[in-house]
Amino acid sequence: DAKTTQPPSMDCAEGRAANLPCNHSTISGNEYVYWYRQIHSQGPQYIIHGLKNNETNEMASLIITEDRKSSTLILPHATLRDTAVYYCIVRASYNNNDMRFGAGTRLTVKP
Amino acid sequence: DAGVIQSPRHEVTEMGQEVTLRCKPISGHNSLFWYRQTMMRGLELLIYFNNNVPIDDSGMPEDRFSAKMPNASFSTLKIQPSEPRDSAVYFCASSFGSGANQPQHFGDGTRLSIL
Repeated sequence: DAKTTQPPSMDCAEGRAANLPCNHSTISGNEYVYWYRQIHSQGPQYIIHGLKNNETNEMASLIITEDRKSSTLILPHATLRDTAVYYCIVRASYNNNDMRFGAGTRLTVKP
Repeated sequence: DAGVIQSPRHEVTEMGQEVTLRCKPISGHNSLFWYRQTMMRGLELLIYFNNNVPIDDSGMPEDRFSAKMPNASFSTLKIQPSEPRDSAVYFCASSFGSGANQPQHFGDGTRLSIL
């Protein structure tokens, strides 16, 4: 599976957009980009995923660059409850059941 | 909608005791996964089932670990005998199918402490 690189931490002001970057420069054509988050003492929460196109759901938007080597998760209006560790994962179709979480980005939303 | 339900949320027991963790997947999901999370090793896949059948148990650390899925709505992970190094948070996840395009949804885990 392709390796991902994320900044270890970020801050965001409440009500502003949080933009979390992820680098996956070795991604293959059949690998999906997934985003999860984990709030302390809870299980990982699925946010969004995509292959090539940008995606949007009720939680967030996922922007994938045209060369697919990086992506950005956007939380449009961050709240204090969005404070969590955010994980970017690349998931291959041939070994698609092992969700390899890296160190992630610790996002702190500040009032 | 009910998510993945795990029980117990916390378990503290003495070394050598049998431990049974339980999981109820999301209704309609036919793939179920057991993970273990520690600070040192992060999240590790232990075993996964598809349509109640174990498909890959290569992540199960030792013969002390066993998992069953007697029906589509229930799975157990058993450790016998337990050891202090088994202390971790154990997560169950489920998905609709096991394809790379199917997100896994996690429960809130069982925090296991072996004394």
